[in-house]
Amino acid sequence: EVQLLESGGGLVQPGGSLRLSCAASGFTFSVNAMTWVRQAPGKRLEWVSGLSGSGGSTDYADSVKGRFTISRDNSKNTVYLQMNSLRAEDTALYYCARRRGGELPDWGQGTRVTVSS
Amino acid sequence: EIVLTQSPGTLSLSPGERATLSCRASQSVSSTYLAWYQQKPGQAPRLLIYAASSRATGVPDRFSGSGSGTDFTLTISRLEPEDFAMYYCQQYGSSPKLTFGGGTKVEIK
Repeated sequence: EVQLLESGGGLVQPGGSLRLSCAASGFTFSVNAMTWVRQAPGKRLEWVSGLSGSGGSTDYADSVKGRFTISRDNSKNTVYLQMNSLRAEDTALYYCARRRGGELPDWGQGTRVTVSS
Repeated sequence: EIVLTQSPGTLSLSPGERATLSCRASQSVSSTYLAWYQQKPGQAPRLLIYAASSRATGVPDRFSGSGSGTDFTLTISRLEPEDFAMYYCQQYGSSPKLTFGGGTKVEIK
């Protein structure tokens, strides 16, 4: 059974940083692309970032480019999202998801990030 | 940038009725990379349909997807009580790499 467990969310002041983690199990982690998707309260799903199985290819939404960094440690079956220069509009529930082709068949339950003074 | 527009925003139907949800793309989308998700309050999204018309594992056959190019449809043939939820379409491939539609809420009439 595929399991994705996010952690690292919390309350942070504007301009601050957080690092989200997503621990994966139940599949061959190193050959799967992974993504982060967020959902602000009452809003649509928004893709944030993705990276290839090797970690050699990464992509970011324009809204986070230059502020967020996605990475992975295949020895720990974990993907990370380093979030710097956080803004109020980054407040959301952040989901980790496995990408298979063009779709996201497996999702974690999310970790909540609140950016507020 | 590809924008996905879902309609209607809200669909009010009774159990047993047929639901037809639309997803229109601002540019042509490869059918291989068009998916549909169901999301219930407090839960993560669940993949229903991928490659425009393939059902994900465990998805009942009352859910079907169709379409190509810029127009895609999710159909629920007979609504069950557990089908009342939010539905999102999603495309992959064009910059931005992955986008979601704004969602359609299927509510009980």
